[in-house]
Amino acid sequence: QVLLVESGGGVVQPGRSLTLSCSASGFTLSSHAMHWVRQAPGKGLKWLAVIWYDATNKIYADSVKGRFTISRDNSRNTLYLQINSLRDEDTAVYYCARDRGYSGYEEIDYWGQGTLVTVSS
Amino acid sequence: DIVLTQTPLSLSVTPGQPASISCRSSQSLLYSDGKTYLHWYVQKPGQPPQLLIYGASNRFSGVPDRFSGSGSGTDFTLKISRVEAEDVGVYYCMQSIQLLRTFGPGTKVDIK
Repeated sequence: QVLLVESGGGVVQPGRSLTLSCSASGFTLSSHAMHWVRQAPGKGLKWLAVIWYDATNKIYADSVKGRFTISRDNSRNTLYLQINSLRDEDTAVYYCARDRGYSGYEEIDYWGQGTLVTVSS
Repeated sequence: DIVLTQTPLSLSVTPGQPASISCRSSQSLLYSDGKTYLHWYVQKPGQPPQLLIYGASNRFSGVPDRFSGSGSGTDFTLKISRVEAEDVGVYYCMQSIQLLRTFGPGTKVDIK
């Protein structure tokens, strides 16, 4: 079955950087676009970024552009999200999610369990 | 960016009764390929979101048939024909006609 497992979250000081990972199994990662979505405590879902199946295109929400970097290693079945200059408002659960298609225009059909990032001094 | 508006933002339903959630988009979600890029998710307490309906009206694998989606263009509806206790959660619509995805604010459904 499709399984997405995020890791790399934790308590991080403001201004620091962090890289989240998402390990994919049960499907061929290289056939799907992948997304990162976050959810601040008690809030709704906020889409962050998408990367095409072959990493040739990456799109970011305006609010994170320039500070977040999405990447993937299909040979390692892993998706990444690097977050620089962490701010208090980055505190959230970060989900990786699979797009049904290869270019990111289809529905998100599977989600990981999420990893919590807490920005605090 | 496309803005999605959901109504109501909260809903309290008696088990066995129907429920309906509306999602309105600031732009048409019907593309020239004939497909509608509006999808519905539910996030049950303590869980990640899960896909219910894709393409406005198609039930995802394993989703009970008491869930149905309808609508076109800019106005969409998710209906639960008979609410059960396990349907408690927050329901979100999401558009994928643009790569810059957006979600609706969510509708919290609880049981009376």
